[in-house]
Amino acid sequence: AQRVTQPEKLLSVFKGAPVELKCNYSYSGSPELFWYVQYSRQRLQLLLRHISRESIKGFTADLNKGETSFHLKKPFAQEEDSAMYYCALKSDYKLSFGAGTTVTVRA
Amino acid sequence: DTAVSQTPKYLVTQMGNDKSIKCEQNLGHDTMYWYKQDSKKFLKIMFSYNNKELIINETVPNRFSPKSPDKAHLNLHINSLELGDSAVYFCASSQALRSPLHFGNGTRLTVT
Repeated sequence: AQRVTQPEKLLSVFKGAPVELKCNYSYSGSPELFWYVQYSRQRLQLLLRHISRESIKGFTADLNKGETSFHLKKPFAQEEDSAMYYCALKSDYKLSFGAGTTVTVRA
Repeated sequence: DTAVSQTPKYLVTQMGNDKSIKCEQNLGHDTMYWYKQDSKKFLKIMFSYNNKELIINETVPNRFSPKSPDKAHLNLHINSLELGDSAVYFCASSQALRSPLHFGNGTRLTVT
């Protein structure tokens, strides 16, 4: 069975401060991991996928197979980063989401 | 020029009614999905279809019946609506097995 765990339900940081959202997974195969972002009352948008190793909106995420983690990081948070962030694991025909972390960036 | 479009955006109805939500994607993807986002923002897969064939039915009550007339459409029909069905329903599509999902804007269903 696959599982995605996001231990923090809420995260509040000041503008300009670093932010890290934790994600751990359990999966017996080779994982395909993603981060999605949902701004207030909008659709989910793909933020990052581990296979592409790129930085989007200043966010990065590194897959650590030893620790089974895929934490999301940004060195300097901006107010427009306030949103709900979901870590997700894709196996055949199914994307399983963590419970989500609500990020609030305060001025 | 929306890639995954759902209608309606809002749906308010009474318990016991039957309603449908439509979804269309113009990305040429083979796989389509329905997800439910509850009041606590948990996202849970309901169904996935690949080339019009049902692949996943994630223990959803049989009051929910998806229909895929072609690869570009996956509609969701709900019979005998219950209060607990109130949620936001998201349609999504993906190109291949391990590809990311593209989501629609969601349908906010309120059952009174």
